[in-house]
Amino acid sequence: DQQVKQNSPSLSVQEGRISILNCDYTNSMFDYFLWYKKYPAEGPTFLISISSIKDKNEDGRFTVFLNKSAKHLSLHIVPSQPGDSAVYFCAASDRYNFNKFYFGSGTKLNVKP
Amino acid sequence: NAGVTQTPKFRVLKTGQSMTLLCAQDMNHEYMYWYRQDPGMGLRLIHYSVGEGTTAKGEVPDGYNVSRLKKQNFLLGLESAAPSQTSVYFCASSLGPEETQYFGPGTRLLVL
Repeated sequence: DQQVKQNSPSLSVQEGRISILNCDYTNSMFDYFLWYKKYPAEGPTFLISISSIKDKNEDGRFTVFLNKSAKHLSLHIVPSQPGDSAVYFCAASDRYNFNKFYFGSGTKLNVKP
Repeated sequence: NAGVTQTPKFRVLKTGQSMTLLCAQDMNHEYMYWYRQDPGMGLRLIHYSVGEGTTAKGEVPDGYNVSRLKKQNFLLGLESAAPSQTSVYFCASSLGPEETQYFGPGTRLLVL
C-alpha cells in the first residue's frame, strides 16, 4: 500500500496561469517532504522541500504548502512556463528514517504556450 | 563534474541471466541509493548505503544484491533476472541523510 499518493496522473495548464500539484500521505510519522521534477530520459532533480515545522516554503515561482492535519501537501507554480512541463514527484520521510524516502507515482504537468 | 552516472543506459536480459548495474558519483557523497520506477508507481528504494563498505535494505530488496567497495561506486546486481524486474533503475547519492539526493539518468532494463 502506497504511503504517498498523487491521485492526478496528469495536469494541463495554460502558460502564465497557476499550476497546483497535490500529494497525500498516510504515515503520520512523516515530517520531511520534497518535490522532484523529472524530464524524459533524465533522472529526477530536486525542486523544493518542507519540514513539518513549517506550513509553507517558497522558492521563486515554486511554493510548497503542508497541511499536517489533512496529511496533504501541494506544489504551486506561478506563473507556469512551458519549460515546467515535466513529471513531478512528491516524496516523504520521517526523522528516524531519513535514508528512506517514499515517493508518489508522479503527476505529468503540461504547460501549454 | 559529471555528477551521478549510470552504466549501462539500456539492457535486455533473458530470464535467469545475471547482470550488474554500475553507479558512479564524483561529488564525494557518503550516501548512495538504488531505486526502481514502474508505471503507475513512484520510485521505490531497493538498497542504500551510508558509506563505503556498508549496505542496507530498502523497501523492495528481494532479488537484488549490492556492494559499495569504493565510496564513489555503488553496484546493483541481479543474480537471476525475472520479468518482474523489468523496470527503470535510478541511482542517487547525497551528502547525508537529510541532504538533497542527486539522481543519475536511469538504466532501462527489460527482462524477457
